[in-house]
Amino acid sequence: GNSVTQMEGPVTLSEEAFLTINCTYTATGYPSLFWYVQYPGEGLQLLLKATKADDKGSNKGFEATYRKETTSFHLEKGSVQVSDSAVYFCALSDYFGNQFYFGTGTSLTVIP
Amino acid sequence: ETGVTQSPTHLIKTRGQQVTLRCSSQSGHNTVSWYQQALGQGPQFIFQYYREEENGRGNFPPRFSGLQFPNYSSELNVNALELDDSALYLCASSLAGTSRTNEQFFGPGTRLTVL
Repeated sequence: GNSVTQMEGPVTLSEEAFLTINCTYTATGYPSLFWYVQYPGEGLQLLLKATKADDKGSNKGFEATYRKETTSFHLEKGSVQVSDSAVYFCALSDYFGNQFYFGTGTSLTVIP
Repeated sequence: ETGVTQSPTHLIKTRGQQVTLRCSSQSGHNTVSWYQQALGQGPQFIFQYYREEENGRGNFPPRFSGLQFPNYSSELNVNALELDDSALYLCASSLAGTSRTNEQFFGPGTRLTVL
């Protein structure tokens, strides 16, 4: 079956540090991959997405590349800011977009 | 443009009771998905409705059921509540079309506590 595994948190970084949050997946067929973010006191919102192998999703300085050979979709940012403090969720949908699977979330705290 | 709204915000029920949660989708969206999020966990997909029909379902028992109305709003019904049903229930709407990866917009959730 389909599933998503992401690195355990919490993660604490200093401002301007490099961020990597690992995400691997198990899926049949050709899933789409997503990163969602939940800022304190707010609802889930889409951060970036990729729909096929080797696609790179990017937004707000964050990037993730859909790697079929390693079944991974790691989230990276070169220089984090305090405002990036949030919970990050890796997710996948099946090819038709009517089944969704989320990871358990990784809490990120960025300190000045 | 109105975002996704959910009601009620909080709800307390006792084991064995039934509950109905409501969701109004974002204007122009025709697809609604429901999720259960236990504390400290990621959202678990319950089901999706498209044009008033169930379009996909996760690993939840039949006592979790839903409806979508002609205006694309939706209800989640849970019968015979169990203690483990205590969670945040999220609704997400999207516009299904030729793209299978249309963004889902999430509501703030309904916090259900089962005693």
